[in-house]
Amino acid sequence: GAGVSQSPSNKVTEKGKDVELRCDPISGHTALYWYRQSLGQGLEFLIYFQGNSAPDKSGLPSDRFSAERTGGSVSTLTIQRTQQEDSAVYLCASSRGSSYNSPLHFGNGTRLTVT
Amino acid sequence: AQSVTQLGSHVSVSEGALVLLRCNYSSSVPPYLFWYVQYPNQGLQLLLKYTSAATLVKGINGFEAEFKKSETSFHLTKPSAHMSDAAEYFCAVSRSNDYKLSFGAGTTVTVRA
Repeated sequence: GAGVSQSPSNKVTEKGKDVELRCDPISGHTALYWYRQSLGQGLEFLIYFQGNSAPDKSGLPSDRFSAERTGGSVSTLTIQRTQQEDSAVYLCASSRGSSYNSPLHFGNGTRLTVT
Repeated sequence: AQSVTQLGSHVSVSEGALVLLRCNYSSSVPPYLFWYVQYPNQGLQLLLKYTSAATLVKGINGFEAEFKKSETSFHLTKPSAHMSDAAEYFCAVSRSNDYKLSFGAGTTVTVRA
């Protein structure tokens, strides 16, 4: 079956522009996660969705970052007024339930470069 | 709060040699532990997980890991490295009442012919 799909795979944008990153999870997966992977660092948790609601937004680095999920499926991560420090690989993952019981399935990520 | 520490950001092994990747965790309650692998330009995929059943966990591609509570460790091993094992490996931890998976910084494995 289809895995987690992320688009675009690569995005180059100028500082100050807004970007939207899309994640299409595995069908039937209620949980959806966004992580950020910066060069030489581990994965930084950004936000978690259960269905359409986001009970934990604590990982979002600033108010320039926002995310939504519609229909319990597709999620969009929006970064407004991008800065060079936003350059990273943004990974989306989905799972059937809580991570302790259901493994996360990751997409291939969106590599964001802010020039 | 729980966290994981991976000792060594880079490991280089010869083909056919033992692969040993170290992971130590800190958790105030019994943890659930995972190893994920990331091949170049791909997302992460699950290698194996520990969920309080057997302490020795076998995963895909010949990898296994042993949970040692006394040492708060969950080291990953493979008896004989293959060129295809070259990748980045992440240890991760969560708890039964926590949806969030916390990852270590990762260990990059290179395999020498």
